[in-house]
Amino acid sequence: DGGITQSPKYLFRKEGQNVTLSCEQNLNHDAMYWYRQDPGQGLRLIYYSQIVNDFQKGDIAEGYSVSREKKESFPLTVTSAQKNPTAFYLCASSILPTGGNSPLHFGNGTRLTVT
Amino acid sequence: QKEVEQNSGPLSVPEGAIASLNCTYSDRGSQSFFWYRQYSGKSPELIMFIYSNGDKEDGRFTAQLNKASQYVSLLIRDSQPSDSATYLCAAPRRPNYGGSQGNLIFGKGTKLSVKP
Repeated sequence: DGGITQSPKYLFRKEGQNVTLSCEQNLNHDAMYWYRQDPGQGLRLIYYSQIVNDFQKGDIAEGYSVSREKKESFPLTVTSAQKNPTAFYLCASSILPTGGNSPLHFGNGTRLTVT
Repeated sequence: QKEVEQNSGPLSVPEGAIASLNCTYSDRGSQSFFWYRQYSGKSPELIMFIYSNGDKEDGRFTAQLNKASQYVSLLIRDSQPSDSATYLCAAPRRPNYGGSQGNLIFGKGTKLSVKP
């Protein structure tokens, strides 16, 4: 079955450590996205990528980094520079990039807790 | 600032009733809208999308779009306790000078509770 796989489901880290969240898709979608969700805040865009080896900052990119070396993979690194990293992180993909009439398909999410 | 706004709720309806979820948007040029359902602790799942003015029906769900009023709604007929979730409205982010583009802008969601 095609889909988006995020791992791990839960992640715990100490403050000051970098951590990388995995996102893999086998839908053959060109565009991939990372969103962050906090209680009462809705979904906020961190980074997105329309094509391999290219990515763009979203609304809240500070303290995060990404790479897109393969079409199927779009890992997100939460660095120690991110002030409030504890959140629910959602990876998504779409057939068409840049706001076309193409819905986003989400992975199951990674819940990161930093203490 | 282009936004999508929803009443956070909670909206409580009895089982079997019609649940009406509403969304307004500020970008008059928005062409399409998406409704996602999100159960507590889970990721959003797409349930409806609408591009044209008027109604679009899919089973118990009806999406309504009024571009003149910049208003989109989701009706759930014969509401079931399993419909209890947060419903997110989303619209494509259009290019804005100096702003980020691409992907969807989400409202903060309306929490629906269907009581047996």
